[in-house]
Amino acid sequence: QQQVKQSPQSLIVQKGGISIINCAYENTAFDYFPWYQQFPGKGPALLIAIRPDVSEKKEGRFTISFNKSAKQFSLHIMDSQPGDSATYFCAALSGNTPLVFGKGTRLSVIA
Amino acid sequence: KAGVTQTPRYLIKTRGQQVTLSCSPISGHRSVSWYQQTPGQGLQFLFEYFSETQRNKGNFPGRFSGRQFSNSRSEMNVSTLELGDSALYLCASSLGHHGNQPQHFGDGTRLSIL
Repeated sequence: QQQVKQSPQSLIVQKGGISIINCAYENTAFDYFPWYQQFPGKGPALLIAIRPDVSEKKEGRFTISFNKSAKQFSLHIMDSQPGDSATYFCAALSGNTPLVFGKGTRLSVIA
Repeated sequence: KAGVTQTPRYLIKTRGQQVTLSCSPISGHRSVSWYQQTPGQGLQFLFEYFSETQRNKGNFPGRFSGRQFSNSRSEMNVSTLELGDSALYLCASSLGHHGNQPQHFGDGTRLSIL
């Protein structure tokens, strides 16, 4: 049972454009939602995270939007750059449960 | 501050052998979690250790085991290796036992089974 569904699987965005990755979850007990960025040959790196008591969190060009009623959250990358080309994973956890990851989105930013 | 260190980075084994992977967490982090990453299944949780005790276990067969030492370093062992065990094995550390604490990943050990 996939508890976190991520879309799209792959995304191509022009340099300077906005990249949007969406995730939906099923377990209403989830209370921490991080996003990870992974480059080839590297482990996932924590990018930004949100808790369900806020609807949006922004850090630089990265923004998480959170919709508790719809059980959805999304990552927006503003002014996308070729260096942002990587695989992005959303995840969720609650209390003492381990992180549950989405399947990942491969982002390619082209000049 | 040094990040999470995993050794070795690459490993080639044959079916039926066993393997031990090592993980050194960020200094001060007491929780270590292990994940298996494959193209088909994505990132899947194996187990978590905190204060030398296994706190959580994923849905993997008993061939997969681990332990944590008093200095928080952790090892993962896979016995009777199968072709399907070929994967990137990732270790992540955090300050405490799960909860809302950020997990920081190492660069993994890529295990190939021939």
